Amino acid sequence: QVQLQESGPGLVKPSETLSLTCTVSGGSINNYYWSWIRQPPGKGLEWIGYMYYSGGTNYNPSLKSRVTISVDTSKNQFSLKLSSVTAADTAVYYCARITGTVWFDPWGQGTLVTVSS
Amino acid sequence: EIVLTQSPGTLSLSPGERATLSCRASQSVSSSYLAWYQQKPGQAPRLLIYGASSRATGIPDRFSGSGSGTDFTLTISRLEPEDFAVYYCQQYGSSLYSFGQGTKLEIK
Repeated sequence: QVQLQESGPGLVKPSETLSLTCTVSGGSINNYYWSWIRQPPGKGLEWIGYMYYSGGTNYNPSLKSRVTISVDTSKNQFSLKLSSVTAADTAVYYCARITGTVWFDPWGQGTLVTVSS
Repeated sequence: EIVLTQSPGTLSLSPGERATLSCRASQSVSSSYLAWYQQKPGQAPRLLIYGASSRATGIPDRFSGSGSGTDFTLTISRLEPEDFAVYYCQQYGSSLYSFGQGTKLEIK
């Protein structure tokens, strides 16, 4: 059973870069697409971007200028970097596997990142 | 970019009743590319339905999905206490993904 676990700082200062890692266990990161999704407190879900295990990426146009997703197949991990953060980037950040090209399953438990000085 | 609009925003029903949740797309979506998720407080979303009508592994058969084009529906035939949650639809198109804003299903 594949499981995903997000990790990283829970507090980031405005204008700095948010960095999170998703560790995949119980299965290989190879041959799949992997994604990041976020959810501001009390609000809905927003897709951030995805990458293929071999390196191809695509990002939400609204975040594209600030987002980088990368993969480390040797560690079975993939990562998110979001630059120039503001309070509007405060959210629970989820990592997820993309299955069948279309749907997200499974998901990590999520990690809350707060942007504040 | 395809925008998904879910209705109603909140649905108040009692256990045992039937729930019908709607998801409308701003342009046509392939049925293969439409999914539904359930999210309970403090938890990650869980995949319920993919390909508009196929239940994910372990999902009870009281959950069903239907629809095509721009109009899709999630139906819960007889509500159980554990079904009260927020439900999201999600689409894939042109290498981009988007979610609806969610429908909160609450106990009446």
